[in-house]
Amino acid sequence: QSALTQPASLSGSPGQSITISCTATGSDIMIYNLISWYQQHPGKAPKVIISGVTQRPSGVSARFSGSKSGNTASLTISGLQAEDEADYYCSSYAGSRGHVFGPGTSVTVL
Amino acid sequence: QLQLQESGPGLVKPSETLSLTCTVSGDSFTRTDYYWGWVRQPPGKGLEWLGSIHYSGITYDNPSLKSRVTIFLDRSKKEFFLKLSSVTVADTAVYYCATGLQDAFAIWGQGTMVTVSS
Repeated sequence: QSALTQPASLSGSPGQSITISCTATGSDIMIYNLISWYQQHPGKAPKVIISGVTQRPSGVSARFSGSKSGNTASLTISGLQAEDEADYYCSSYAGSRGHVFGPGTSVTVL
Repeated sequence: QLQLQESGPGLVKPSETLSLTCTVSGDSFTRTDYYWGWVRQPPGKGLEWLGSIHYSGITYDNPSLKSRVTIFLDRSKKEFFLKLSSVTVADTAVYYCATGLQDAFAIWGQGTMVTVSS
């Protein structure tokens, strides 16, 4: 079964950088290189912060950056701020299989 | 500015069909590059894509839901709909409608909580 795996939680101090990984297992669900990242604060709808592996939508802070190597995509948050404390989900668009979400990573700012 | 709003019953009985409506405000409903989808999130858990529909009417849905999902749209009312059949308590979740290009959802509704219980 195709799936995406993410670390359950990560933490960092203000000003530090953290990287969240998203690894595809079981199939070629990253074959289209259409990886997105979503940020979700408690009680709020998700917000796309990266699409197409590296593209940042208008209005999203440049502190967020995306990359991909092989079957692993990554989201880096630079200069961590208190407002970055949230859940982060990766997603891969896999053609006829649609959108596959990772399990999410809870980021804590110490 | 494009906005989405979900509506529908907050309580559904087991084995019945869950029906939700997403109302679109703004001028983007006719965009041929946009897809309109449904995503849900059980309490305390992650996101699950249910299905999407293009303005042309072409749909595709999550294979894991074993054809329980139906999505359709009403162009004249600028609405699209979700029907999920044979619900169980495992279908209790916040249901979001969302839209964007084919590979990512750029705009989301605020979400609506649906509880499955007798």
